[in-house]
Amino acid sequence: NAGVTQTPKFQVLKTGQSMTLQCAQDMNHEYMSWYRQDPGMGLRLIHYSVGAGITDQGEVPNGYNVSRSTTEDFPLRLLSAAPSQTSVYFCASSYSNGGTEAFFGQGTRLTVV
Amino acid sequence: SQQGEEDPQALSIQEGENATMNCSYKTSINNLQWYRQNSGRGLVHLILIRSNEREKHSGRLRVTLDTSKKSSSLLITASRAADTASYFCATSPGKLVFGKGMKLTVNP
Repeated sequence: NAGVTQTPKFQVLKTGQSMTLQCAQDMNHEYMSWYRQDPGMGLRLIHYSVGAGITDQGEVPNGYNVSRSTTEDFPLRLLSAAPSQTSVYFCASSYSNGGTEAFFGQGTRLTVV
Repeated sequence: SQQGEEDPQALSIQEGENATMNCSYKTSINNLQWYRQNSGRGLVHLILIRSNEREKHSGRLRVTLDTSKKSSSLLITASRAADTASYFCATSPGKLVFGKGMKLTVNP
């Protein structure tokens, strides 16, 4: 039982490049979400999903796309990376939307130069 | 926008002492959760308290919730160096909204 797995752990991108951050969970959780963590800002919600085929925007969705084709996977796509997207990204999953504890991945540290 | 706000933002204590962290929030909640984050790691769930509960215990952790004041406190008793971490409160209904966190340092 691996929990929530994020890949890669570290990534450096050039401005304008695109990439996908991967997130997978093996707990059969319906609810998955992506957060970014910046110094002094805490965690801010980017996108979330309440089940396969259903996604919605969080607090800071601009510049990011998501899809949820399976219960297990919830990838986050950066369309055209900008230095402002330099951050640590966390994926989380839970049994329900806010009603139960959330399980977090170990994070992806992204630097955009 | 952040719902919860932890106070103090940083706390430094000696091993064996108790640590108290406070969280204030703005709107009605279904539950409030506390998480710990060790440096460079993901968040780990500590405890969840529902809006109809006033106090909850888990090991050395004690959480209280005052919905009339829209506030919660997390007490860690007999702290250890291993408790050094950042602590976050998060509120629900719906998607979890996190505060900015507070940094606890426990000196051996």
